[in-house]
Amino acid sequence: AQSVTQLGSHVSVSEGALVLLRCNYSSSVPPYLFWYVQYPNQGLQLLLKYTTGATLVKGINGFEAEFKKSETSFHLTKPSAHMSDAAEYFCAVSLSGNTPLVFGKGTRLSVIA
Amino acid sequence: GAVVSQHPSRVICKSGTSVKIECRSLDFQATTMFWYRQFPKKSLMLMATSNEGSKATYEQGVEKDKFLINHASLTLSTLTVTSAHPEDSSFYICSALGGPGNTIYFGEGSWLTVV
Repeated sequence: AQSVTQLGSHVSVSEGALVLLRCNYSSSVPPYLFWYVQYPNQGLQLLLKYTTGATLVKGINGFEAEFKKSETSFHLTKPSAHMSDAAEYFCAVSLSGNTPLVFGKGTRLSVIA
Repeated sequence: GAVVSQHPSRVICKSGTSVKIECRSLDFQATTMFWYRQFPKKSLMLMATSNEGSKATYEQGVEKDKFLINHASLTLSTLTVTSAHPEDSSFYICSALGGPGNTIYFGEGSWLTVV
């Protein structure tokens, strides 16, 4: 069975500060890993995904994540937070590109002016 | 890019009635669609996997007689909440497998409020 743990249900950063959202996963096979963002009252938008190959994945809006197999982690980072980054972020894992995703509980990011 | 559309985006229904939510892949064929439910301020829980032309596979704990899923064509899957109750109020999101890269694309979600 697969699972995802997102450390911290709420993260607050100052505008311009580093954003770090933590995600650890459990998978019996090499995982496919995803980060999604959800703005209030909206659906999910894919930020980035890792399938195979390069372990540092760059996504939209300046976000990136690094797959670390030894740490079973896929933390999401952004060098400088913008007010518009305030949203709910979900980490997810799947067995492959065409199997359902298992989501973490989400981390709400607040950006303080 | 691939687009998945859900309709309605918001619906309010009376307790005891049934409501149908549609999930359409607008520009690609999707042999498989997934339905998720998201409780307020909670994560997304997989409800069922639907394959075109066959019965849906439900996750443990999901009442198949209450949440009827039909995947009648390669571009349309429907979720019908039967005899809805206030506890069924939730955000329902579908995703479709297909399109560029044969990957999973999410719909915008549908808010259901049962009063």
